[in-house]
Amino acid sequence: EDQVTQSPEALRLQEGESSSLNCSYTVSGLRGLFWYRQDPGKGPEFLFTLYSAGEEKEKERLKATLTKKESFLHITAPKPEDSATYLCAVQGSAGNNRKLIWGLGTSLAVNP
Amino acid sequence: DAGVTQSPTHLIKTRGQHVTLRCSPISGHKSVSWYQQVLGQGPQFIFQYYEKEERGRGNFPDRFSARQFPNYSSELNVNALLLGDSALYLCASSAESRLDEKLFFGSGTQLSVL
Repeated sequence: EDQVTQSPEALRLQEGESSSLNCSYTVSGLRGLFWYRQDPGKGPEFLFTLYSAGEEKEKERLKATLTKKESFLHITAPKPEDSATYLCAVQGSAGNNRKLIWGLGTSLAVNP
Repeated sequence: DAGVTQSPTHLIKTRGQHVTLRCSPISGHKSVSWYQQVLGQGPQFIFQYYEKEERGRGNFPDRFSARQFPNYSSELNVNALLLGDSALYLCASSAESRLDEKLFFGSGTQLSVL
């Protein structure tokens, strides 16, 4: 069964204190692993798509990496505006629809 | 260009009632998906429509139904509401229906069932 597990559930950082969020997954035929950011009361906002092991993508202070079993979202020198819930989702090749399997998310708080 | 728009933003209903949620995708997007998100959890897939045809259905009871219109907007209907249907309902659109395509989400409809 396809499954996504994110850790930690919550993370509190000081501004400038770098860290990483983890997304472990099991899926039949990975078509894509997605990272989204979600602010309270809003829908998820797309950050990255990773397709194959070894792939890396960067955007400002965020860098996402992918292995065959997990993905990391590295946050370098975070700012308070990076506070949000970060969601990981996978799309398998079984079926032909957008049944993304989502993790529960990591709630990140960055203190000034 | 406007993003994905959903209406209403908030809704309060009582058990047993019916509700209709509406979604307008980004202009040019032909695929619409619906997700249910309970507080503290990730979204759960409900339906996907592409070119007005149902492409997928998640593990939700038959009380949940949806449709897509010729202008690609979509409605999600829930009958005989239960307390457990209280959640944020998210609509997402994409240009096509490729499995590796990123989704654009609306801000959701917060449904409270009393």
